[in-house]
Order: sequence, then structure tokens, then C-alpha cells
Amino acid sequence: QVQLQQSGPGLVKPSQTLSLTCAISGDSVSSNSATWNWIRQSPSRGLEWLGRTYYRSKWYNDFAVSVKGRMTINPDTSKNQFSLQLNSVTPEDTAVYYCARRGATGCYDYWGQGTLVTVSS
Amino acid sequence: EIVLTQSPGTLSLSPGERATLSCRASQSLSSSYLAWYQQKVGQAPSLLIYGASSRATGIPDRFSGSGSGTDFALTINRLESEDFAVYYCQQYGSSPYTFGQGTKLEIK
Repeated sequence: QVQLQQSGPGLVKPSQTLSLTCAISGDSVSSNSATWNWIRQSPSRGLEWLGRTYYRSKWYNDFAVSVKGRMTINPDTSKNQFSLQLNSVTPEDTAVYYCARRGATGCYDYWGQGTLVTVSS
Repeated sequence: EIVLTQSPGTLSLSPGERATLSCRASQSLSSSYLAWYQQKVGQAPSLLIYGASSRATGIPDRFSGSGSGTDFALTINRLESEDFAVYYCQQYGSSPYTFGQGTKLEIK
């Protein structure tokens, strides 16, 4: 059974960096068939895919246009986890952030528990 | 990007009734790459249906998906108390993979 466990602070100041980690059990971040994603949810933007990392003989990352240039995702094979960093946050980045696996079905079949991140001074 | 429009916004029904939720895409979805998720308060979304009509592991057959092209539906027969939640459709045929705005299924 795949489990995703999120960790990271729930409060970030404007202009600073939001950092979250998603620890994977029951699968590998280096899987050749899965992708590892960050998705956020807010009342104003709904469910919004932010980006992904995946391994297909080498590492790839993709990002949504809305966060491109501000967001990085780093896989950590030694700890079997992946992390999100979102720079220069504003109150509009306030949301519940989820990590999720995109598996063989093509859909997000396993999700982390979610982290409410509030951007406020 | 593909926009998904769900209707109705809120659906009020009683246990035992049938619910039909709609999802319309702004462009035809390739290979029916349409999924449905259920989200309960305080929880992450949970996969119900993929490929427009295939149930995810452990999903009871009261849940069924249908449709192709731009029009899709989720039907829930014989509503049970645990089915009252918010439901989202999501397309995964064209990046970025987008979600609908959700339909809230509430107890009448």
C-alpha cells in the first residue's frame, strides 16, 4: 500500500520560500512508471496542479505556467521523498498543498494528507 | 488549457436516491482521459473513476462513470450517508491536467 506523508511549516511570510516534503512508502521516487506531483487547493483557484518530478532513465520536472520560475521540485532517492520549494510567495499562494502519485491509471491514485499553508506576516 | 465545467454546483438528495453529476470539457478529451474524485471535509481527494468509466480499486459498483468526447457523467445509485461529499472531475489527456470546480452532494 502506497502512503505519502507530508511535512513542512503551515505559516510562511510574504516574499519568503514555502518548503514542503513528501515522504513515500510502498513505492519508489525513482519508479519508472509513476510521477510525483504537487497540487494545491484554494477557494479562489480550486484544485490546481503545480508540478511534477519523475524518472525515466533520467530526472524530469514539469511546472504549471502559474508557478514556473518560482517553483522547484527535488527528488531525494536516499530518503525516498520529494520536496517542493515555492519562492517569493504572496497571500495568493495560501492554500492546502497536496503531494500525489500519478500511477498506472494515469490519475492521482495516492495523495498525501494535505498541508494548509498560510502566507501572512 | 482544457476547462472542465461541472453541474450542478450543489445537488440535494436523500439517501437511497440516485445522483447524476455532469462534467463538460471545453475540448474533446483524447481516449476518454477523464477521472472522478470524491473529497470529504478535511480529507484529500480520493480516486473513484478513471478512463471515464473504470472504477478504481475498492470502489463499489454503485458508482459508475460514462461519457466521451466533451460530455461525461458520474452516477451514484442508492445513495448512502458516506456518499455525501464534493465530487471533482479531472482530465488527464492534455497537459496541464485540470480539474472541474466541483459538485457538492448534500443531504436533503
